[in-house]
Amino acid sequence: ELKVEQNPLFLSMQEGKNYTIYCNYSTTSDRLYWYRQDPGKSLESLFVLLSNGAVKQEGRLMASLDTKARLSTLHITAAVHDLSATYFCAVDFDTGNQFYFGTGTSLTVIP
Amino acid sequence: DSGVTQTPKHLITATGQRVTLRCSPRSGDLSVYWYQQSLDQGLQFLIQYYNGEERAKGNILERFSAQQFPDLHSELNLSSLELGDSALYFCASSARDRPYEQYFGPGTRLTVT
Repeated sequence: ELKVEQNPLFLSMQEGKNYTIYCNYSTTSDRLYWYRQDPGKSLESLFVLLSNGAVKQEGRLMASLDTKARLSTLHITAAVHDLSATYFCAVDFDTGNQFYFGTGTSLTVIP
Repeated sequence: DSGVTQTPKHLITATGQRVTLRCSPRSGDLSVYWYQQSLDQGLQFLIQYYNGEERAKGNILERFSAQQFPDLHSELNLSSLELGDSALYFCASSARDRPYEQYFGPGTRLTVT
């Protein structure tokens, strides 16, 4: 069965702190994506990871992919309130380019 | 703004009714994907079209159908609506040579009463 799991589901963190969101998936894939969603809004692409060992950084967010462990991480450095949102990972299991999404991590950054 | 447009933004209808959601992909994109986001099921892939032809099917109910027209816009038809069909429906598009970059539209929020 094709499954994508994220943890934690909810994350409340203080401004200035660091934290990591984890995304595990069930079957081999070397394509993983991270999206951000603000309440009531659409999905905004953050990172596209297309190979084992891929690492991408944008501002306070850094994403990495370990295809052997079937694991991706989204690391948040020195969180700020503007990062409060729900973050989704999605995996493309090469079954026609449809994305399988994780459950999402709802992040709240507290001043 | 992703360049993908969806109409309507909101739709309220009664159980048993039929609705049509519309999506216009980014200029030049040949692929259109439909997703459903609900509290129960999360974000689920429904169906993909490529240049007018169905390419892949996900967890799409038999009461739902879709098509992509020659001008590449797509419509998702939902019939015999049930309360559980209330959800956000997203359309995404991608280019032929970069299928892994999906751009999402603003979504249509469907409320079934």
